[in-house]
Amino acid sequence: DTAVSQTPKYLVTQMGNDKSIKCEQNLGHDTMYWYKQDSKKFLKIMFSYNNKELIINETVPNRFSPKSPDKAHLNLHINSLELGDSAVYFCASSPDSSGRVQYFGAGTRLSVL
Amino acid sequence: AQSVAQPEDQVNVAEGNPLTVKCTYSVSGNPYLFWYVQYPNRGLQFLLKYITGDNLVKGSYGFEAEFNKSQTSFHLKKPSALVSDSALYFCAVRDMGSNYQLIWGAGTKLIIKP
Repeated sequence: DTAVSQTPKYLVTQMGNDKSIKCEQNLGHDTMYWYKQDSKKFLKIMFSYNNKELIINETVPNRFSPKSPDKAHLNLHINSLELGDSAVYFCASSPDSSGRVQYFGAGTRLSVL
Repeated sequence: AQSVAQPEDQVNVAEGNPLTVKCTYSVSGNPYLFWYVQYPNRGLQFLLKYITGDNLVKGSYGFEAEFNKSQTSFHLKKPSALVSDSALYFCAVRDMGSNYQLIWGAGTKLIIKP
């Protein structure tokens, strides 16, 4: 049973399209995150939710909108995709927001053509 | 400003030799430090952490890390490298501000040659 699962694993789309990436965790954790890893492997936090409430919202274009319907799910919707959005997006979860160990999903590789 | 530095983009080690992957940090107060590993096409996996206590921390897959407060370092070590240790290694420190997010290093690619 995968602890943190993301779908889809690969996403290839055209510029200007809107797409969503879904994330679910079955660990009972309160906190979930979205990260972006660029082609140089730099890891950058985008958002964090704790019990469905947004607690971290880094400088990310407002084309990116996270949604947390419940504390086990954190989805990422991206409007008007741009070439620069091509990256691997990771979802993660942790027991709480106090900076404890994070558990990562396998990633979604987004390619914008 | 709080930060983490991994000074080496890549480390090459022969199988069976000891390995060290370097990490230095800059935070105010007592740091919470982490090492994660990323295998190709996979998500990051937690290896070990230092919060308090013994300066030598043992983790998964035979890895350990030494916390050195005077040198503000938290180097990852393993006595005898395996080819399967080849991966990307990230050091991270907890932000001591209000949101406790992790501040990540740039990653070090570890290559173990047979």
